[in-house]
Amino acid sequence: DTGVSQDPRHKITKRGQNVTFRCDPISEHNRLYWYRQTLGQGPEFLTYFQNEAQLEKSRLLSDRFSAERPKGSFSTLEIQRTEQGDSAMYLCASSLGSGTGLGNTIYFGEGSWLTVV
Amino acid sequence: QQQVKQSPQSLIVQKGGISIINCAYENTAFDYFPWYQQFPGKGPALLIAIRPDVSEKKEGRFTISFNKSAKQFSLHIMDSQPGDSATYFCAARGSGNTPLVFGKGTRLSVIA
Repeated sequence: DTGVSQDPRHKITKRGQNVTFRCDPISEHNRLYWYRQTLGQGPEFLTYFQNEAQLEKSRLLSDRFSAERPKGSFSTLEIQRTEQGDSAMYLCASSLGSGTGLGNTIYFGEGSWLTVV
Repeated sequence: QQQVKQSPQSLIVQKGGISIINCAYENTAFDYFPWYQQFPGKGPALLIAIRPDVSEKKEGRFTISFNKSAKQFSLHIMDSQPGDSATYFCAARGSGNTPLVFGKGTRLSVIA
């Protein structure tokens, strides 16, 4: 059973450096989401894709953040010039995307922890 | 502006007791209400979900109660077990399969 896969699971970086996270969604899921979660808070929506098209970006996604899904399969989230406030867990999720039934579940990966020192 | 308000922030329940977590929402366009369970260091996992055309859904020890007129929904965990100790998030999504918005979470501790 291959769920949503994220890499790396943990990343420690110095302030000002760039970091990139990769997400491999569940096979055949055409929707892919990025969320950010800080300690003691719920996941906050960042952006999502329908196949390779980026459909929505949250105000949380500053211009230092960029996400891509070039072939409609895996996705990358890059953070440029990291700041200490970027320290969080970055969650990727995927869903089938068609219809709104209960069967259209959003499945989350285990997250990528970022610590900016 | 928080779209989904969750309470309590933390909850301690005796083993075998009932855990109740509440959520309220404002956006009447929401039409899908899931609950997620998250263990430390893991991603959230779907526990149970409901659409607003029903008032209750039960799966094993977990029940969602939904009150459309009050714009509230709650999670009930019957016969709570230490293994249920986790953080629980309510969420909501609008029509058109828009992204989920989450509550801030409830940290549940079930003690023996």
